[in-house]
Amino acid sequence: DGGITQSPKYLFRKEGQNVTLSCEQNLNHDAMYWYRQDPGQGLRLIYYSQIVNDFQKGDIAEGYSVSREKKESFPLTVTSAQKNPTAFYLCASNMGRGTEAFFGQGTRLTVV
Amino acid sequence: AQSVAQPEDQVNVAEGNPLTVKCTYSVSGNPYLFWYVQYPNRGLQFLLKYITGDNLVKGSYGFEAEFNKSQTSFHLKKPSALVSDSALYFCAVRDILAGGYNKLIFGAGTRLAVHP
Repeated sequence: DGGITQSPKYLFRKEGQNVTLSCEQNLNHDAMYWYRQDPGQGLRLIYYSQIVNDFQKGDIAEGYSVSREKKESFPLTVTSAQKNPTAFYLCASNMGRGTEAFFGQGTRLTVV
Repeated sequence: AQSVAQPEDQVNVAEGNPLTVKCTYSVSGNPYLFWYVQYPNRGLQFLLKYITGDNLVKGSYGFEAEFNKSQTSFHLKKPSALVSDSALYFCAVRDILAGGYNKLIFGAGTRLAVHP
């Protein structure tokens, strides 16, 4: 089945630690996105990528980093510079201009 | 800048009654509009979109949305609500960025509660 797979589903981070969230898609989509979801705030864009080896900062990129070495993979690293990382993280992909995005099932990150 | 607003945090409706979840937008140019649904601790599922054509768009699970250019609205509707429709609903608009990139801008979401 085609789709987007995010792992892990739950992740716990200690203070000062970097963690990486995985996102893999087998939809052959060009564009991939990372969103952060906090209660009552909707979804905010962290990073996006339209092609391999290219990515752009979204609205809240500080404290995050990404890579796009393969078309199907777009991992997100939450660095220790992100002061309030506890949130639900969603990865999405689409074919580009005007097409609907497909979402993964999300990763819930909690700082302990 | 492009934006969407969902004026209601929560909508309550009885099962079997029609439902409406409201969305208004602000865009330059022609809007590309989307509705998504989210169940607890899950990703977003695409319901429907408007790009061009008929103002009434039909989507998944019996949902439809009406595009109204003069009122800059894109309200989600269903003739007869089900308890299983209870979820969080997001309206979104496409934003075109420099270099041909595009992204979705989401509203804050509306929680729909359908009571038996």
